[in-house]
Amino acid sequence: GENVEQHPSTLSVQEGDSAVIKCTYSDSASNYFPWYKQELGKGPQLIIDIRSNVGEKKDQRIAVTLNKTAKHFSLHITETQPEDSAVYFCAVRPAQTGANNLFFGTGTRLTVIP
Amino acid sequence: NAGVTQTPKFQVLKTGQSMTLQCAQDMNHEYMSWYRQDPGMGLRLIHYSVGAGITDQGEVPNGYNVSRSTTEDFPLRLLSAAPSQTSVYFCASSPGGWGEKLFFGSGTQLSVL
Repeated sequence: GENVEQHPSTLSVQEGDSAVIKCTYSDSASNYFPWYKQELGKGPQLIIDIRSNVGEKKDQRIAVTLNKTAKHFSLHITETQPEDSAVYFCAVRPAQTGANNLFFGTGTRLTVIP
Repeated sequence: NAGVTQTPKFQVLKTGQSMTLQCAQDMNHEYMSWYRQDPGMGLRLIHYSVGAGITDQGEVPNGYNVSRSTTEDFPLRLLSAAPSQTSVYFCASSPGGWGEKLFFGSGTQLSVL
């Protein structure tokens, strides 16, 4: 299956600073890349996603960039707030026909220090 | 609007026992799936369904059974629990399938002794 690596595993930033989390993948034909936020005791929640035919997507303070050549994509959070503190997961969908599977990274614990 | 509801929230089993994890969604989504979450390993797909009467295996299906008799419900069965099945289980549904835009439940924490 797809090999997804996520870095860093933990990240602490001061409130108002930016946070960047990066994921690399192995299958160059992968075509869908979502990011999920998981708060303590809750299920993951989709925060942004991007398809392989788009290089960047923004939603207010959150953006995702995709570099297909290098096979990596990144989550950018600007003007961080304490409520951004959570575990963030990237995921990748392989391209083979009938692929319903998402392969998840191992997560990044983001702490925003007030 | 409840979204995706999972029961129970916590469960302790002994090795060899069986149980069913319940999942229900009220969003009329055709696609439903089960993931397990283990420390340091992210989430892994167990089984999924693209509609009532249709199920298929994911990445880690061994030891688990599923069925989909209605659009709303997608139970996960452990026939003979093993310590390796200690994990947090998440059910998810999606309006479009293909793993896109998943809505997750709040999870079931299962311990097998």
